[in-house]
Amino acid sequence: GENVEQHPSTLSVQEGDSAVIKCTYSDSASNYFPWYKQELGKRPQLIIDIRSNVGEKKDQRIAVTLNKTAKHFSLHITETQPEDSAVYFCAASIEGNTPLVFGKGTRLSVIA
Amino acid sequence: GAGVSQSPSNKVTEKGKDVELRCDPISGHTALYWYRQRLGQGLEFLIYFQGNSAPDKSGLPSDRFSAERTGESVSTLTIQRTQQEDSAVYLCASSRNAGGQETQYFGPGTRLLVL
Repeated sequence: GENVEQHPSTLSVQEGDSAVIKCTYSDSASNYFPWYKQELGKRPQLIIDIRSNVGEKKDQRIAVTLNKTAKHFSLHITETQPEDSAVYFCAASIEGNTPLVFGKGTRLSVIA
Repeated sequence: GAGVSQSPSNKVTEKGKDVELRCDPISGHTALYWYRQRLGQGLEFLIYFQGNSAPDKSGLPSDRFSAERTGESVSTLTIQRTQQEDSAVYLCASSRNAGGQETQYFGPGTRLLVL
């Protein structure tokens, strides 16, 4: 089955700097890659996703890139702000009736 | 509209007792998922339901864990003879259907502590 690895497990950046979180997946058939943000004590929420027919997607300060050949995808947050501090989870799935497989999460701390 | 709701929000139980956790998905969502999240860890898939199809139970860690869903509405996750290692937050999520590209909307979770 699918296996998703996520790095780093923790990341600290200065406010205004960029943050990058990377994930790799094992199943070449996976074609949907969402990112979820979980603030302390709250539920995970989808922040951006990408499908295998595109290589990059951007939404304001957040972007995701996908390299299907290498089987990895990354989350990029620019101009980080303290409210970006949270745990971020990547996930992968195959189109159809299969559940998402999540990475173990990255705890991002943005230092003011 | 209302999001995914779960009850109770917190549950403290003694080792060996049975517990039942409830999830109310978003109305109209045919797919429902249960995850377990241990302290500081990622999301561990347990089980999911899609409409009237047989549920995918491949993530259940032992036969002490079971789940039911009534049609396309409420689901209950039951843990029998609880153990201390069952302590975790149990998250429920729903999506319009079980297609892998559907956004999952999470509930607030039930925080279970087994003493």
